[in-house]
Amino acid sequence: GAGVSQTPSNKVTEKGKYVELRCDPISGHTALYWYRQSLGQGPEFLIYFQGTGAADDSGLPNDRFFAVRPEGSVSTLKIQRTERGDSAVYLCASSLNSGTGNNEQFFGPGTRLTVL
Amino acid sequence: GNSVTQMEGPVTLSEEAFLTINCTYTATGYPSLFWYVQYPGEGLQLLLKATKADDKGSNKGFEATYRKETTSFHLEKGSVQVSDSAVYFCALSDMDTGRRALTFGSGTRLQVQP
Repeated sequence: GAGVSQTPSNKVTEKGKYVELRCDPISGHTALYWYRQSLGQGPEFLIYFQGTGAADDSGLPNDRFFAVRPEGSVSTLKIQRTERGDSAVYLCASSLNSGTGNNEQFFGPGTRLTVL
Repeated sequence: GNSVTQMEGPVTLSEEAFLTINCTYTATGYPSLFWYVQYPGEGLQLLLKATKADDKGSNKGFEATYRKETTSFHLEKGSVQVSDSAVYFCALSDMDTGRRALTFGSGTRLQVQP
């Protein structure tokens, strides 16, 4: 079956603009995660959804960042008033979260965001 | 809080050499440990995992043993190939504290020369 997909693959925007990044998880995966990966670093956690609700948003850096998952499948990460420091690869992952300890996360290819 | 420290790269080896990439962790609870790999131009893939002390994860000739006493999860391979060239990330999740999200190390780039 299809893996996690993310669109767009690349996004170039100007400082101060608003952007939306989309994630389509693997069908049937109830858990969805957003991470941010800066150049030369490991991914850093942003937010985790279980179903439609944000179960853990402790990684969001400030109130310019917001994410939704209204129907428990597709998720959108929204960034307001973008800053140059927001430039990074934004990764989405999904997992079954079956409750049996199977928490393997499957990652998408990422969206490379460049803020000029 | 949770953290993962792994050796800095790049690590450059000749084909068929022995590989060790060190990883140590700090966690509040009793974490599960993972190695992820990122091949050039591809997304992150799970390489192996271990969920309790003394467990050994293995895949594609790579191995790592969960050492609770030394809080380590070093990645090893007996004979590397050029196709193993990639960036390797050590990670943990701390289900005991409800922290399902992964905490990653900074990554180690491996370059294998023919």
